[in-house]
Amino acid sequence: QKEVEQDPGPLSVPEGAIVSLNCTYSNSAFQYFMWYRQYSRKGPELLMYTYSSGNKEDGRFTAQVDKSSKYISLFIRDSQPSDSATYLCAINQFYFGTGTSLTVIP
Amino acid sequence: DGGITQSPKYLFRKEGQNVTLSCEQNLNHDAMYWYRQDPGQGLRLIYYSQIVNDFQKGDIAEGYSVSREKKESFPLTVTSAQKNPTAFYLCASSVGVRNTEAFFGQGTRLTVV
Repeated sequence: QKEVEQDPGPLSVPEGAIVSLNCTYSNSAFQYFMWYRQYSRKGPELLMYTYSSGNKEDGRFTAQVDKSSKYISLFIRDSQPSDSATYLCAINQFYFGTGTSLTVIP
Repeated sequence: DGGITQSPKYLFRKEGQNVTLSCEQNLNHDAMYWYRQDPGQGLRLIYYSQIVNDFQKGDIAEGYSVSREKKESFPLTVTSAQKNPTAFYLCASSVGVRNTEAFFGQGTRLTVV
């Protein structure tokens, strides 16, 4: 079993929609969770990080960790065409999801 | 501006040749990392270093080598022993290993011709 699993999509939504991106992980000892956004042929940029469980909000973005089900989520409200990118979940610096490709249609 | 610089952006190598990818950071971070990204496989850890003169193998270290002689620099050599080297290579750094977020460079696209 891989340490972290992520649905690769692709995901296509209309502008203004709420987007939900999700990952599952295998080891209940993991505590530091991150979401990165990667535009085509660029390096990933950190969007959000959370430690342990709970929610963290930053503008239109909310990161959520459910340790009981080993499930991490990123929600994007009022999605914009500029949000079109690949979103990667990560645990510590060692385990990355395969990325979900998101397209927001104007 | 603080950040991570990878060079070159594109690199072509003939089969059987070694090639070195450069990674420099001015963030004063102790930890540095090299990842490989292939379509549909996300990022896979090649090597990481927690401190100068120390480095550890990641999941896919075979065919690669690194050095960490200076805090700012963490070059990656792709050797001829790497059977499938064509990929997008990413360097990152963080304050420490584990429980801190990483900051990435813009990547080097290596193509074997």
